Amino acid sequence: EDKVVQSPLSLVVHEGDTVTLNCSYEVTNFRSLLWYKQEKKAPTFLFMLTSSGIEKKSGRLSSILDKKELFSILNITATQTGDSAVYLCAALPYSGGGADGLTFGKGTHLIIQP
Amino acid sequence: DVKVTQSSRYLVKRTGEKVFLECVQDMDHENMFWYRQDPGLGLRLIYFSYDVKMKEKGDIPEGYSVSREKKERFSLILESASTNQTSMYLCASSLKGLAQYFGPGTRLTVT
Repeated sequence: EDKVVQSPLSLVVHEGDTVTLNCSYEVTNFRSLLWYKQEKKAPTFLFMLTSSGIEKKSGRLSSILDKKELFSILNITATQTGDSAVYLCAALPYSGGGADGLTFGKGTHLIIQP
Repeated sequence: DVKVTQSSRYLVKRTGEKVFLECVQDMDHENMFWYRQDPGLGLRLIYFSYDVKMKEKGDIPEGYSVSREKKERFSLILESASTNQTSMYLCASSLKGLAQYFGPGTRLTVT
């Protein structure tokens, strides 16, 4: 059975701190790893990682994938209160002919205190 | 920008009622998905579709069915709603092999 595990499950830090969120996966026919940010609504897409060792960056957020050790990290530098959210990681497999759904981790609930 | 819309943000239904949840995307995506999200369980895939009239079961299809008559529209049907189907329902769409984009969600309460 495919599995995605995130850690920590929750994290409280102060504004300005740097945080690292972890995601490990065991997925048959793994294709890509995706990160989403979820506030009080639907998940919004952050990154999609397919190749190992190549960092993706967007502002203060960055992410990298290690396909040998089967994990990914999401870094947020100089955190702000607006970064408070649940961060979800999900694995996308290769499909035979059609689509495949994502297998999600349970999320990391990040709280940034002013 | 990708736009995925869902017919209702909040819905309250009675046990035994037939419930239709509608999802529409405007980006000509082949793939569409229905998930439910519950505290402590995360997001779980109910059904997905990779083409018109094509559907595949996800991890938790029991008690649900789907319909995809047009490429842009994917409906989730609860044939006879039960209280354990109270949940947040999220629709998503994607191009093959690329990131999924989510709708705003429908919070369904079955009483």
